[in-house]
Amino acid sequence: GQNIDQPTEMTATEGAIVQINCTYQTSGFNGLFWYQQHAGEAPTFLSYNVLDGLEEKGRFSSFLSRSKGYSYLLLKELQMKDSASYLCAANMRFGAGTRLTVKP
Amino acid sequence: NAGVTQTPKFQVLKTGQSMTLQCAQDMNHEYMSWYRQDPGMGLRLIHYSVGAGITDQGEVPNGYNVSRSTTEDFPLRLLSAAPSQTSVYFCASSFTGGASTNEKLFFGSGTQLSVL
Repeated sequence: GQNIDQPTEMTATEGAIVQINCTYQTSGFNGLFWYQQHAGEAPTFLSYNVLDGLEEKGRFSSFLSRSKGYSYLLLKELQMKDSASYLCAANMRFGAGTRLTVKP
Repeated sequence: NAGVTQTPKFQVLKTGQSMTLQCAQDMNHEYMSWYRQDPGMGLRLIHYSVGAGITDQGEVPNGYNVSRSTTEDFPLRLLSAAPSQTSVYFCASSFTGGASTNEKLFFGSGTQLSVL
């Protein structure tokens, strides 16, 4: 079967760093995606990892460990506009999403 | 480019009614798919298509039909609406697709459907 797990909610302070974890079990693996979804809007692509290690893209970074079935999304210098849900996905399947609230 | 266009944005149906959610993309994407999003359950794949004339079932296909007569369009049909189909529906596309894909998905703006 396929299973993708991530925490339901997280809260962090403006300017801080937050790490959102994702664990997955899939039959076959072709990379892991992270999407951002603001309330009432469509998901938009953030990052993709297919090899182990860290991919950095400005304030956002994503890490993958294939042997552990584990990924995380790291958000630095948090801004209020980063308040959104963050979705982990693999093989067309999505986790339930992590709702991040950034407080002043 | 308009990207992925979904209509309608909102719809209210009575139990037993049928309707079609429209999805069109102008990016010449081969892969198109439909998801439903429910609170606490994330996005669940309903049906997908890897090209014109080819469709396949996802995780939750019951109660829904699809067809892909052109590359651009991928309508989702509810045959006899039930309250359990109350959800937000998203159409998504990518250049290529399927479980082996490394292509990111482009999403439409969503359809909020209520079945009374």
